[in-house]
Amino acid sequence: KNQVEQSPQSLIILEGKNCTLQCNYTVSPFSNLRWYKQDTGRGPVSLTIMTFSENTKSNGRYTATLDADTKQSSLHITASQLSDSASYICVVSPSSGGSYIPTFGRGTSLIVHP
Amino acid sequence: DSGVTQTPKHLITATGQRVTLRCSPRSGDLSVYWYQQSLDQGLQFLIQYYNGEERAKGNILERFSAQQFPDLHSELNLSSLELGDSALYFCASSSASGRNNEQFFGPGTRLTVL
Repeated sequence: KNQVEQSPQSLIILEGKNCTLQCNYTVSPFSNLRWYKQDTGRGPVSLTIMTFSENTKSNGRYTATLDADTKQSSLHITASQLSDSASYICVVSPSSGGSYIPTFGRGTSLIVHP
Repeated sequence: DSGVTQTPKHLITATGQRVTLRCSPRSGDLSVYWYQQSLDQGLQFLIQYYNGEERAKGNILERFSAQQFPDLHSELNLSSLELGDSALYFCASSSASGRNNEQFFGPGTRLTVL
C-alpha cells in the first residue's frame, strides 16, 4: 500500500529561525513529489515539485530535497516569517499505469511565534 | 486567488440528506479533481475528471458521485449523509490530465452533517 508519512506532526518555532520538515514515502514506482502549503481554512498551494531525477528545488525561502534511493524528502524553511504558519503537505504521485492517484501525507502543522 | 471557485462555502445538513457541491475550474483547465479533508484523515483523493470523462477514482464511497459538464464545471453529489461525512471538500483543476501538471485548489466547501 502506498503511504506518505510526515514528521513532525506539529512544530513551533520563533520568527527568524530555520526549520526542516520530513517526508518518507513508500510509493513505487515514483513519478513526482510535491510540497504544498495550506493556510487554515484555505486550499493547498503548491510550493515545489520534484521528479525522480531531481535532488533539490527552491522557491524563495523554501528548499525541498529528495533522496529517491531512501524515499525521503525534506522541506527546509529559512528565516521563518509569521506568514509561514500553516500546514505543509507532502504529496507523492505514482508512475505506473494510466491512472493518476496521488498519495497525501497528513501534513506538518507549523506555528511561527513572534 | 487560484481561479478555482467552489460553492457553497459552508453547508449544514442532517443525516440521511443529499447535497451537491459545485466547482468551476480555472479558465482553460480541462481536469477537475475532488478531495475530502477531515481532521483525522488528511486530504483524500476522491475522483478526477478530464474533459467530461472520468479519469481516475480514489477512495470515493458509493454514496458519492460526481460529473463534469460540457462547460467543464463539476458537481460532487453526496447522498445518505452520515456524521462521518462532515469534512472540507476541495476541488482542484489543472490544464491537462498528466500527473506532473500542477493542481490549483479552490477555497473548499465545509460540510457539517448534524
